[in-house]
Amino acid sequence: QKEVEQDPGPLSVPEGAIVSLNCTYSNSAFQYFMWYRQYSRKGPELLMYTYSSGNKEDGRFTAQVDKSSKYISLFIRDSQPSDSATYLCAIRKRGNAGKSTFGDGTTLTVKP
Amino acid sequence: DVKVTQSSRYLVKRTGEKVFLECVQDMDHENMFWYRQDPGLGLRLIYFSYDVKMKEKGDIPEGYSVSREKKERFSLILESASTNQTSMYLCASLEGGTGELFFGEGSRLTVL
Repeated sequence: QKEVEQDPGPLSVPEGAIVSLNCTYSNSAFQYFMWYRQYSRKGPELLMYTYSSGNKEDGRFTAQVDKSSKYISLFIRDSQPSDSATYLCAIRKRGNAGKSTFGDGTTLTVKP
Repeated sequence: DVKVTQSSRYLVKRTGEKVFLECVQDMDHENMFWYRQDPGLGLRLIYFSYDVKMKEKGDIPEGYSVSREKKERFSLILESASTNQTSMYLCASLEGGTGELFFGEGSRLTVL
């Protein structure tokens, strides 16, 4: 069983839609939760980072963590064509030398 | 800006050839990582290094070795390339204070 499972997609939405991207994890030892965005032919880049249950907002993006359910989500409001990318959730244990475990990624296409 | 530079964006090699993938970071990070990325399998950790000349195996080290002779440079070596090593290889370095991984743009290796 994978340590982190990500909703596979792909996902195609019209511009302006609200997007929900989701991951579940299996081990309560994971304490840090991240979302990376990867544009085509580029390396991933950090989008959101949180370590506590609850919501964290940054502009149109909201990261949500529910540690009791071992569930993490990324919401994108008012989605734009420039949001078209692959989104990867990543989780990490405390003091684990920075080793992160990644979901398989969800490819999002926002159509104008 | 942190920069992680991978020396080769695209490589084509033949089965049995030795392959070197080089990665350089310019932010004095201690921890560096090599991942491979395959469709449906996400990012999988091959090796990581937490200091010069120090290395640890990740989840899929078989068929790979690494070298870290200088802090800024982390090399991935395929001693005898095989077709199942055709993949996208991503190097990353870790910002220790924030836990953010900074990725290079990737090296796409094709083994014929």
